[in-house]
This record gives sequence, C-alpha cells and structure tokens, in this order.
Amino acid sequence: AQKVTQAQTEISVVEKEDVTLDCVYETRDTTYYLFWYKQPPSGELVFLIRRNSFDEQNEISGRYSWNFQKSTSSFNFTITASQVVDSAVYFCALSEAGTGNQFYFGTGTSLTVIP
Amino acid sequence: EAQVTQNPRYLITVTGKKLTVTCSQNMNHEYMSWYRQDPGLGLRQIYYSMNVEVTDKGDVPEGYKVSRKEKRNFPLILESPSPNQTSLYFCASSSGGTGRTEAFFGQGTRLTVV
Repeated sequence: AQKVTQAQTEISVVEKEDVTLDCVYETRDTTYYLFWYKQPPSGELVFLIRRNSFDEQNEISGRYSWNFQKSTSSFNFTITASQVVDSAVYFCALSEAGTGNQFYFGTGTSLTVIP
Repeated sequence: EAQVTQNPRYLITVTGKKLTVTCSQNMNHEYMSWYRQDPGLGLRQIYYSMNVEVTDKGDVPEGYKVSRKEKRNFPLILESPSPNQTSLYFCASSSGGTGRTEAFFGQGTRLTVV
C-alpha cells in the first residue's frame, strides 16, 4: 500500500494566487517524520521542512506554511501569493522510526505558476 | 560545506555494459540510500544502507548492486544495464535515531541505456 499519497498530479495557478498541495500518509508507528521537498526544473531536490509526529504545530516560513493534522494523517503545504519561481514538482515524504530510516516518497505534485 | 556528491551527472551507455555511479557524503551520516525517479512514479528506493557493511533492498532492487565498505561512500552498480533502467538516479544520506534529519540528496545522475 502506498504510504504517502499526493493525489494532485498537476496544478496550475495564476501568479499571486494561493495554492495548497495535499499529502496524506499512512503509518502504524507512533514516532515518524514528515518532509516536503521541492524539485525545480533544474532537477535537484531541495529540502523544505521536517516535522516529527509529536509536533503538530503548524509552521509558517515566509510565503510557505504547513498544516500537520494527525487526526486525518495529513501534512498539507500552502504557498501564499504564488510566484513563477514556485513552479516545481513538490514531494511529500515519510520516515518511520521503526524501519531503519527508510524514506517513503509520494509521487509528487507538479505546480505551474502562470505569470 | 555539507554535501552529497554523485558522479557522473549524465551517462549514456549501451545495454549490458557494466557501470558504476559513485556517491560520497561528507557529513558522517550512518544512512545512505539510492533512489530512481521516473515520471508519474515519484522516487522509489533501490537500496539503502544503515552503516558500513549493512545494506538492504528497497522497493526496486532488481538489476542493481551496492556496497558500503566505507561510511562516506555508497556506489550503485549496474552489472548488465537494460533500457528499462533509463532513469534519473539520486543518492541520499541522513542521520538516524532520535535526531533523524532530512535526507540530503546528491545532484542526480541521468542515465540513458540504449
């Protein structure tokens, strides 16, 4: 079974719109870690955020914010006032404490911001 | 500077010709992994290693080999590459335990097998 589901394959928004990327995960571990990565057209993977299962506080970093809800097993990512430079593929990932540091990635959401 | 270095960045080879993609990290991380990225499939783990001489299969290990003789290096070996191994490959390292960090990724190796 897929441990991380990113149901949105592609999203297009017009510049300055807000956009939310969904991530739903599945785990039986009580201790786990969630991550978001950005992959711009140049291809490298850029780390955005790490969250552990004991910290459900939402986080804001500039135009980026993350909403972690254990009750719905979701870790959604919102970009406020999107910019063309936000165009990229975004990956959500899960790492469980009990499985030797394996990382499970979703299939990614391709975001296009139209000027 | 903390980094994961993969080489080569681009490689075109022919079916059956053995190749090795090197990966080195300078962060003293215990954990290292290899992933392949294919359109619509995200990143899939090929092999991972929890420490020197400790390796295990990920989700798609067929056709690949790895070794971990030193903590910093984790080469990926394709003994007899086939066209279905054409993909974008990433090496990653991370620290584990309660201080688990994010995975640090190399720049990627784009492999084409003809």
